[in-house]
Amino acid sequence: AQSVTQPDIHITVSEGASLELRCNYSYGATPYLFWYVQSPGQGLQLLLKYFSGDTLVQGIKGFEAEFKRSQSSFNLRKPSVHWSDAAEYFCAVGASPGTYKYIFGTGTRLKVLA
Amino acid sequence: DVKVTQSSRYLVKRTGEKVFLECVQDMDHENMFWYRQDPGLGLRLIYFSYDVKMKEKGDIPEGYSVSREKKERFSLILESASTNQTSMYLCASRAGGTNSPLHFGNGTRLTVT
Repeated sequence: AQSVTQPDIHITVSEGASLELRCNYSYGATPYLFWYVQSPGQGLQLLLKYFSGDTLVQGIKGFEAEFKRSQSSFNLRKPSVHWSDAAEYFCAVGASPGTYKYIFGTGTRLKVLA
Repeated sequence: DVKVTQSSRYLVKRTGEKVFLECVQDMDHENMFWYRQDPGLGLRLIYFSYDVKMKEKGDIPEGYSVSREKKERFSLILESASTNQTSMYLCASRAGGTNSPLHFGNGTRLTVT
């Protein structure tokens, strides 16, 4: 069955430190992969997406993610975290073309220490 | 930029009431979605609409119905609200298939007492 796992429910980092949020997926074919961010009381905003090609994808707000097929992973990274990055982050997989299914992870809540 | 607008940020309703959650998108997207978000459960799809008057049940349609009379508007209806429907409800739209990202509204936090 298709699934998305975000193993870290909470992560705390200091402002200025680097960040890596983990995402593992289970999917038969090459997936369409997304990272979203949700600030408190808000909807989800797209950070970046991967369909094919270069496995290192750049997104908004200084985020990047790397697709590793061998590890079934799509981890999100940022070299230097800002206090405004405190939010919840969701990894998602778009299922087969022609369907409407997206599979979301359960989210990782990021806390940033000043 | 795509704008998805949900009419209410917060709603408080009583058990048994009929509740309407409204969503409007301004990018002429064919596809619209209603998700429910609960802590530890992520996002769960309630209903999907791929065209006017066309809909598909998602993973948790029980207790909900939807209406899409115009392309830009997708309504979620709780026929008889219950306390277990207290949740955050997110509307989304997209331009194409699952290689297209979803564009989300800001959500409606519904409390049923």
